Amino acid sequence: AQRVTQPEKLLSVFKGAPVELKCNYSYSGSPELFWYVQYSRQRLQLLLRHISRESIKGFTADLNKGETSFHLKKPFAQEEDSAMYYCALSGLTGGSNYKLTFGKGTLLTVNP
Amino acid sequence: DAGITQSPRHKVTETGTPVTLRCHQTENHRYMYWYRQDPGHGLRLIHYSYGVKDTDKGEVSDGYSVSRSKTEDFLLTLESATSSQTSVYFCAISLTGTGYTFGSGTRLTVV
Repeated sequence: AQRVTQPEKLLSVFKGAPVELKCNYSYSGSPELFWYVQYSRQRLQLLLRHISRESIKGFTADLNKGETSFHLKKPFAQEEDSAMYYCALSGLTGGSNYKLTFGKGTLLTVNP
Repeated sequence: DAGITQSPRHKVTETGTPVTLRCHQTENHRYMYWYRQDPGHGLRLIHYSYGVKDTDKGEVSDGYSVSRSKTEDFLLTLESATSSQTSVYFCAISLTGTGYTFGSGTRLTVV
């Protein structure tokens, strides 16, 4: 079974402060991890995937297989970063069919 | 746009009535998914499809059925709507099964 845990429902920081959104996962195979972002009443958008190892909008995330974590970080938060963030894991189901399992999300608020 | 559209965008229906939501893609992607989004639960997979006429259940499939008669359309049917199915429904597509593109969502209210 695959499982994603985001321990914080809400996270509030001030503009310019560092931010870290936590994500832990459980999966017996080799996972592929993602971060999706949803701005107010909009569709979910892919923010990061661990295999690309890129930085989007100043966010980075490193897969730590030993701690089974994929925390999202940004050194200096901006007000426009306020959104719901979802961590997600992709794993194989029967045969070669994939499905994405999401955490429950963390609502980030960046205060001026 | 993202090549994926959902219809309708909003719907109010009465308890006990059947409801069908449509997801249409122009990307020719193999995989299509239906999720529901609820506060405190995040996104939960209802059903998914890995090809025409090939579908499987997700974690919250009770009370829902799906059909995929052609690559571009994936229909979600609530057989007899209940108030617990009031939610925002998102469709997603994927070429390889990883890295999804989401639709704009359908906000369904069952009264």
